[in-house]
Amino acid sequence: DAKTTQPPSMDCAEGRAANLPCNHSTISGNEYVYWYRQIHSQGPQYIIHGLKNNETNEMASLIITEDRKSSTLILPHATLRDTAVYYCIASPNQAGTALIFGKGTTLSVSS
Amino acid sequence: NAGVTQTPKFQVLKTGQSMTLQCAQDMNHNSMYWYRQDPGMGLRLIYYSASEGTTDKGEVPNGYNVSRLNKREFSLRLESAAPSQTSVYFCASSERWDAYGYTFGSGTRLTVV
Repeated sequence: DAKTTQPPSMDCAEGRAANLPCNHSTISGNEYVYWYRQIHSQGPQYIIHGLKNNETNEMASLIITEDRKSSTLILPHATLRDTAVYYCIASPNQAGTALIFGKGTTLSVSS
Repeated sequence: NAGVTQTPKFQVLKTGQSMTLQCAQDMNHNSMYWYRQDPGMGLRLIYYSASEGTTDKGEVPNGYNVSRLNKREFSLRLESAAPSQTSVYFCASSERWDAYGYTFGSGTRLTVV
C-alpha cells in the first residue's frame, strides 16, 4: 500500500470549510484513496473514497489531483461535532488486502 | 440496532492470563477485521478474514490468534497476555473484501497489569 502523509493537526472555525490535505506520491494505479474519521475514542467511521475523479456525498467532498499524488478532503461547513482524527488511506481494492490506518490529522473545530 | 457488537467493553487481565475478545456482526458481511489502537496512535491491523473460513495476518499478529467461527462471528484470543497488549481493540466488518466502507464496533478497552 502507498504511504500517506498528513499534517498531525489542523484548526478550523465553526461554519467555515475544513480542507484536510493528504500526500500519497507513491500511489499505484489500482489504489483507491479512502477517508475515515474517529471521533474521540469511538470506532472509525467511513467518510468517502475515490480513485481518479472527485467525489461528493452528504458528508464531504474528495478532490484528487490529476496526477493522483495528493488529495484533499473538504468538510464544507465544519461544526463542533466534526472535531475528530481524520485518516487518509491509499489501498488497492483487491482480495487479500485490508485497510492500514496511519496516525491521521487531528482536526479541532472551535466556535 | 444493526452493526458490529464487541464484548466485553472493558477488561483487566493479569500478565499471563488468557482471554477471548468476541465480535459479531448482523449485516451479513463477508469480511471481518481486528485492529488495536494504542494511546495517541493510529489503528494497527492484527488479523483479518476476507471470507468465512479464511484468516490472514496483519501488521501486528504476534501474541494473538483468531477464529472465524461462522459468517457472523470473528474472535480474537490472547493466549498469554502481556502489558504490551494493553490497548483498545476494534473489530470491523465489510460487505466484501473489495467493499469500501468498513463498519467498526465500539471497541474493547483492555488493560494488562
